[in-house]
Amino acid sequence: AQRVTQPEKLLSVFKGAPVELKCNYSYSGSPELFWYVQYSRQRLQLLLRHISRESIKGFTADLNKGETSFHLKKPFAQEEDSAMYYCALSGGSNYKLTFGKGTLLTVNP
Amino acid sequence: KAGVTQTPRYLIKTRGQQVTLSCSPISGHRSVSWYQQTPGQGLQFLFEYFSETQRNKGNFPGRFSGRQFSNSRSEMNVSTLELGDSALYLCASSLAPGTPYEQYFGPGTRLTVT
Repeated sequence: AQRVTQPEKLLSVFKGAPVELKCNYSYSGSPELFWYVQYSRQRLQLLLRHISRESIKGFTADLNKGETSFHLKKPFAQEEDSAMYYCALSGGSNYKLTFGKGTLLTVNP
Repeated sequence: KAGVTQTPRYLIKTRGQQVTLSCSPISGHRSVSWYQQTPGQGLQFLFEYFSETQRNKGNFPGRFSGRQFSNSRSEMNVSTLELGDSALYLCASSLAPGTPYEQYFGPGTRLTVT
């Protein structure tokens, strides 16, 4: 079974501080991991995926298969990063996305 | 390019009724997925369609059904509505099934069952 856990429902940091949004997963095979973001009054959109190994808007995420984690990090948070962040997993030939419950990030001025 | 559109955006129904939600994918996209979003359960996968065929189905009762038309537009139907069906229903489209293809989400249809 596929499962994604985001342990923090809420995360509040100050502008310029580092931020880390945690994501742990459970999957028996080789998963594909994603981070989705939803800004206020906007649609859910893809932020980054582990296979791309990109940095998007200063965010990076590394897949740690040993710890089954895919934490999202940014060294210096900006106020415009305030949003709801969802970690998601897709596995094998079953392409459905399994989402975590999400973490609401608030970046204070 | 126009994004994914969903109609209607808001809907109020009574218990026991049925409802049909519509999703128009981005032009050229042939895969459509549906998700239910609730405060308690978060985002849960309902089903995925490609080339008018249901490829995957989530753990929802048979009251939830869907279909896809030859122009890739998709509809989902919920029969015998229950209070617990109140949720935001999201549709997502992609060029084809599979993780190489990014899913683009629509704004959702907010269904309230009274």
